[in-house]
Amino acid sequence: EIVMTQSPATLSVSPGERATLSCRASQSVSSNLAWYQQKPGQAPRLLIYGASTRATDIPARFSGSGSGTEFTLTISGLQSEDFAVYYCQQYNKWPPEPTFGQGTRLEIK
Amino acid sequence: QVQLVESGGGVVQPGRSLRLSCAASGFTFSSYGMHWVRQAPGKGLEWVAVISYDGSNKFYADSVKGRFTISRDNSKNTLDLQMNSLRPEDTAVYYCAKGRSGGQRDSMDVWGQGTTVTVSS
Repeated sequence: EIVMTQSPATLSVSPGERATLSCRASQSVSSNLAWYQQKPGQAPRLLIYGASTRATDIPARFSGSGSGTEFTLTISGLQSEDFAVYYCQQYNKWPPEPTFGQGTRLEIK
Repeated sequence: QVQLVESGGGVVQPGRSLRLSCAASGFTFSSYGMHWVRQAPGKGLEWVAVISYDGSNKFYADSVKGRFTISRDNSKNTLDLQMNSLRPEDTAVYYCAKGRSGGQRDSMDVWGQGTTVTVSS
């Protein structure tokens, strides 16, 4: 199993500032990495796939980078609706065995 | 619009069975792999199973292998998850999710609202 480790567990940032979330894979996942946003009581929403490609209708303030084992999700100019839990997910392994990180909670400072 | 709607959740005793369903609309269901993902109360996301676009390939998490069966009916645009020998640790919100690009090794770009399964005596 590929273990995904996210850091920090909780990140406190002020509105308008930039947030940087990290995700590390226990082995290379190439660029087969996605980021999701989840708000309380809601289903996850795909933000980024292929490590750096924004999903449909995702604002440009969300950007992803990295490859191999180290990945970053950056949210610039934080807005109130961005405060949520963020998960990374690898989908590189065959046979398929997608795994998620434990999540980073982004909270208002 | 693209939509997934799960149903079938409920409270069940340990060792019993439950069948979840997911109704898809707004996209060509038969062209995409489909997943089940679960989330235990207060916990993170755990992938459960995936089925290929035509139902010919199925893969499971080790935690449910041999107990859960994923299936699909492309004529009805439905995805199912048959859950047998349920355990308390299977208690979770179960989401169905659409694979983004059509393969089984994929991100998930559409999610249902989830259905809650509680396994308790």
